[in-house]
Amino acid sequence: EVQVVESGGDLVHPGESLRLSCVTSGFRFNDYWMHWLRQAPGKGLEWVANIKPDGSERFYVDSVKGRFTISRDNAKRSLYLQMNSLRDEDTALYYCAGAFDFWGQGTMLTVSS
Amino acid sequence: QAGLTQPPSMSKALRQTATLTCTGTSNNVGKQGAAWLQQYQGHPPKLVWYMKNDRPSGISERFSASRSGNTASLTITGLQPEDEADYYCSAWDYSLEAWVFGGGTKLTVL
Repeated sequence: EVQVVESGGDLVHPGESLRLSCVTSGFRFNDYWMHWLRQAPGKGLEWVANIKPDGSERFYVDSVKGRFTISRDNAKRSLYLQMNSLRDEDTALYYCAGAFDFWGQGTMLTVSS
Repeated sequence: QAGLTQPPSMSKALRQTATLTCTGTSNNVGKQGAAWLQQYQGHPPKLVWYMKNDRPSGISERFSASRSGNTASLTITGLQPEDEADYYCSAWDYSLEAWVFGGGTKLTVL
């Protein structure tokens, strides 16, 4: 059975940092491009970042470039998102996904003063 | 970053056919088509179509997709109540080097 479990979401103030984690099982993590996506309350899906199976390539949506860093640990079958200089507009439910095939339930980040 | 264009809503009768559209550019949909995801309220998305003419395992054969130029389409035949959901298209944009999404179409089955 495939399992994707995100954690780390919280209520933070603008300018603060936070790290999201995602632990997976049930699929060949080492073979998959992994993604972070987000969905603001009542809004559509937005892709945030992805990382190649071996970690050698990473891509980001313009709005998070220079602030967010995606990383992975294949030995731990885990994906991470380090988020710095957080803004109100980063408030969303953050999903971890394996190549859009496998999704977690999401972890909620709220950025508010 | 510019996204893909989807009509915000569509209503179709039970057992009818719905064709959802997704318009992009030659840098994204025009190159490889689009992936399609289904999302029920309060649940994570589920992939219902890969970009390269492929239906994921477990997805009903009532779902199919195609592309014409820079517009991708998802067709759902024999609409059932459980097809009522939000549908998102997505494609890799080779110019932006980013995945772009449509705003989603809310499909209502009457």
